[in-house]
Amino acid sequence: QVQLVQSGTEVKKPGASAKISCKASGYTFTGYYIHWIRQAPGEGLEWMGWINTYSGGTKYAQKFQGRVTMTRDTSMSTAYMELKRVTSDDTAVYSCARESSEYTSGYVHWGQGTLITVSP
Amino acid sequence: SSELTQPPSVSVSPGQTASITCSGDKLGDKYVCWYQQRPGQYPVLVIYEDKKRPSGIPERFSGSHSGNTATLTISGTQALDEADYYCQAWDSSSPYVFGTGTKVTVL
Repeated sequence: QVQLVQSGTEVKKPGASAKISCKASGYTFTGYYIHWIRQAPGEGLEWMGWINTYSGGTKYAQKFQGRVTMTRDTSMSTAYMELKRVTSDDTAVYSCARESSEYTSGYVHWGQGTLITVSP
Repeated sequence: SSELTQPPSVSVSPGQTASITCSGDKLGDKYVCWYQQRPGQYPVLVIYEDKKRPSGIPERFSGSHSGNTATLTISGTQALDEADYYCQAWDSSSPYVFGTGTKVTVL
């Protein structure tokens, strides 16, 4: 079965970088994009961007342009999301997600989420 | 603007119908998905491609899309439908923006 397993909770100082991994299993990694979504405490879902795991191409939400980098390691079936120069506003649960193989849109596979806390 | 606007909250009595709208510029050019998110859980896809239900989603969930507004309708609402609901624009050439979210309360 499809599984997306993310790295663990992190605490970062303001100005630092945070890098989260998302290890995929149960399917051909390069066959599907990986998307990254975050949710701050008590807030809504926020789409951050996607990576084409086959080509390495990326598309980022304008809000994160210049601060986010999404990469992948096909040999490890793992996608990464790095967010630079974090502030307290970046405290959130960050999740990777993949769309369904059956449906034309929507995410049906999610990682368990990684909490990033930014604190002095 | 790429924002998708939803009402912050909707209240509904058990057995009644709840409707949640999602509006945004150029939404008419995109497919819309809807997710249900219960506290502490990841979102569950309840509608894709505007009006289709994934396997396992009850028939009481339906979707529609006209122009720049999409609507999620929950017919015969049950207590277990109490959750946050988010729309999402799905277009590979554009950002996959989420709506602002709607809290559905079953009174």
